[in-house]
Amino acid sequence: DIQMTQSPSSLSASVGDRVTISCRASQTISSYLNWYQQKPGKAPKLLIFAASSLQSGVPSRFSGSGSGTDFTLTISSLHPEDFATYYCQQSYSTPLTFGPGTRVDIK
Amino acid sequence: QVQLVESGGGVVQPGRSLRLSCAASGFTFSNYGLHWVRQAPGKGLEWVALISNGGTNKFYADSLKGRFTVSRDNSKNTLYLQMDSLRAEDTAVYYCAKDLSLGTPIKTSDYWGQGTLVTVSP
Repeated sequence: DIQMTQSPSSLSASVGDRVTISCRASQTISSYLNWYQQKPGKAPKLLIFAASSLQSGVPSRFSGSGSGTDFTLTISSLHPEDFATYYCQQSYSTPLTFGPGTRVDIK
Repeated sequence: QVQLVESGGGVVQPGRSLRLSCAASGFTFSNYGLHWVRQAPGKGLEWVALISNGGTNKFYADSLKGRFTVSRDNSKNTLYLQMDSLRAEDTAVYYCAKDLSLGTPIKTSDYWGQGTLVTVSP
């Protein structure tokens, strides 16, 4: 199985900050990498698919990059509604696997 | 608009079975693969299963070891998850999710239901 890791596991940031979350796969997954946002008590929401493609309706302050084994989610300017947990997920092969999540909270 | 509504969760004793359902609307159900993903209380996301649009191809998490079976009824726009020999560690919110891609799944979930809680307890 492909193992996914994320760093940091949590971070504190202020509204307007630029935030970067890293995700690493245990083997190369080309660009088969998705990012999801989840708020407490809610279902996850797809933000980025195929490493860098912005899902319809997602604000342009979210962006993704990377290929192979190393990937990054960037929020260019943090909004109040962005405080949440972010998960990466590889879609290269089954079993599909998620990273452990990165919690973004208010400083 | 796309809607996915899970049902069938509840409290069940270890070793017993439970079947979850996911009723879909707002898209052509038979054209899309579907996923089950679960989340134990306070924990991260764990992918459970994927079924292709026609129901022929099914994929599972290794950890389930044949205890769970995914199926679908395209005439009823409904996805199912049959869970047998339930264990305490199966306690989780179970989400159904639609695959992003028309036809062959690209293993990316773009719409999710609200989830149904399964609690396995004596």
